[in-house]
Amino acid sequence: DAGVIQSPRHEVTEMGQEVTLRCKPISGHDYLFWYRQTMMRGLELLIYFNNNVPIDDSGMPEDRFSAKMPNASFSTLKIQPSEPRDSAVYFCASSEGPRWTGELFFGEGSRLTVL
Amino acid sequence: TQLLEQSPQFLSIQEGENLTVYCNSSSVFSSLQWYRQEPGEGPVLLVTVVTGGEVKKLKRLTFQFGDARKDSSLHITAAQPGDTGLYLCAGAKGSQGNLIFGKGTKLSVKP
Repeated sequence: DAGVIQSPRHEVTEMGQEVTLRCKPISGHDYLFWYRQTMMRGLELLIYFNNNVPIDDSGMPEDRFSAKMPNASFSTLKIQPSEPRDSAVYFCASSEGPRWTGELFFGEGSRLTVL
Repeated sequence: TQLLEQSPQFLSIQEGENLTVYCNSSSVFSSLQWYRQEPGEGPVLLVTVVTGGEVKKLKRLTFQFGDARKDSSLHITAAQPGDTGLYLCAGAKGSQGNLIFGKGTKLSVKP
């Protein structure tokens, strides 16, 4: 079975450009999460969706960040305009059910470098 | 404020040695998970502990949840190079709370 699929795996862009990261969760999973990982701050939750509805976006750093989930099989995280401090690895994860004892299934991540 | 403190940050050992890494907090968690992350990959769940004092074993890995559900430890017996990776603990508060991740312990096991 396919796991969580993210694209692109790597992106290098210049400051000010728009960046769009994509995620396909595991089929049947009701929850989708976007995380950002850096050496300094570790793994931080940006936003999560339940049944395609954003539930908590308190981790989204600024208005430059936005996330959508138009259907159960696709989500995007957009940064516009991008800044060097946005450089990080962005992970998408999905899980089934609301219980936090459940397993988060992570994608392989999208490594973003903003010059 | 980092709710979950992991120690040590880095650990480099020889194959065959034993080691323990720690995950500590001043907060109480309803459950705690351990993940392992290899370079270029996403974290993969190893175990979930939910009861204070609970001990779970996964081959050479032993996980313990503190009695007060504020801390956890991971002990690896006879470490192997395949154990190399970033070990992350993650705590949950209640059934609807956010899952908080520690910064991880980066383990390197040399042959």
